[in-house]
Amino acid sequence: DADVTQTPRNRITKTGKRIMLECSQTKGHDRMYWYRQDPGLGLRLIYYSFDVKDINKGEISDGYSVSRQAQAKFSLSLESAIPNQTALYFCATSDRAVGAGEQYFGPGTRLTVT
Amino acid sequence: AQSVSQHNHHVILSEAASLELGCNYSYGGTVNLFWYVQYPGQHLQLLLKYFSGDPLVKGIKGFEAEFIKSKFSFNLRKPSVQWSDTAEYFCAANGSSNTGKLIFGQGTTLQVKP
Repeated sequence: DADVTQTPRNRITKTGKRIMLECSQTKGHDRMYWYRQDPGLGLRLIYYSFDVKDINKGEISDGYSVSRQAQAKFSLSLESAIPNQTALYFCATSDRAVGAGEQYFGPGTRLTVT
Repeated sequence: AQSVSQHNHHVILSEAASLELGCNYSYGGTVNLFWYVQYPGQHLQLLLKYFSGDPLVKGIKGFEAEFIKSKFSFNLRKPSVQWSDTAEYFCAANGSSNTGKLIFGQGTTLQVKP
């Protein structure tokens, strides 16, 4: 079984709709991250969480919110989706002891906002 | 500002050719450096990492990278590429304070022709 899973894997939604992307991990890691990937821009950090009570904004948090429901679950929400949020979204985890730069990624969610 | 730059956006090589992908970083203080690879349809996975010590690091699948502090570079190399190396390659960096905030380069798409 995959260590980091994301649901849904693909989603098409309309402008103005609320959507939630979910991430679960079985690695037992404390730290979880949400990134978006756009062609030519690489990955950009949206939010990150070092534990259930510690959530931080990343580089591009506007228009997004997150919830860390448990150590193993980290959800990303788009309260009112807009077309420029069309992207590939990745969740990742890391172990505090090993080094936060060594991250483990989920398979990604391809989101299209029409 | 912290940044990571990859100069080659799209590289096309024939099998058995040598590969070098450029990566330069701008980072205050001590830096940790990484190369991640994303094979078609798959999630990102760690190729290799540099935290300290020997500036020449070896990763999986015959890849290596050299940290040259004076040039702020961390170029990825492979002596002889295979068709299966076709993928997108991302250079990334974070500070040694272990905040977990990875900064990614724009990515380089490598296409290896059989």
